[in-house]
Amino acid sequence: EDQVTQSPEALRLQEGESSSLNCSYTVSGLRGLFWYRQDPGKGPEFLFTLYSAGEEKEKERLKATLTKKESFLHITAPKPEDSATYLCAANTGNQFYFGTGTSLTVIP
Amino acid sequence: DGGITQSPKYLFRKEGQNVTLSCEQNLNHDAMYWYRQDPGQGLRLIYYSQIVNDFQKGDIAEGYSVSREKKESFPLTVTSAQKNPTAFYLCASTYPGGSNSPLHFGNGTRLTVT
Repeated sequence: EDQVTQSPEALRLQEGESSSLNCSYTVSGLRGLFWYRQDPGKGPEFLFTLYSAGEEKEKERLKATLTKKESFLHITAPKPEDSATYLCAANTGNQFYFGTGTSLTVIP
Repeated sequence: DGGITQSPKYLFRKEGQNVTLSCEQNLNHDAMYWYRQDPGQGLRLIYYSQIVNDFQKGDIAEGYSVSREKKESFPLTVTSAQKNPTAFYLCASTYPGGSNSPLHFGNGTRLTVT
């Protein structure tokens, strides 16, 4: 069964305390692995696409990496404005499989 | 600016009434999707459409209906047959399957049925 699992469900960090979010996937024929940020009451905002194992993408304090079984979203020296829910999704062509997200809170 | 517009942002209905959620995109995407988001659950696919005048059921299509008469528009009707319609509904679009493109989302419609 194709599925995506994210951990942890929730994460509280002090401002400046770096950490990583995990996205494990078991899908047939991965076409792309996507990361999104979702703020309360809003739609997910696209962050990154990763296509193959070993690939890395960076944007400000965020870096996404991909292996054959999982993806990590590394957050370096986070700020309170990084607080949000982070979703990952695996694409197999027509279908997108979403994890349940990690709710990140960054405390000043 | 290109994007996806969902309206209204909030919608309140009485049980037994059908309600239609609007989704319009000007990204020139062929594929459009409807998802439902409930607390503690991942996004669940209701319906999707790869081209005009064609659409497929997703995992939780019962109690919902859609139409795709124009490339830009993909309205979702929540019927009285949907047992638990209160939820946050998200519309998304992308290039057709196999293109490796991400989904782009609207800002959602929160539906409350009492």
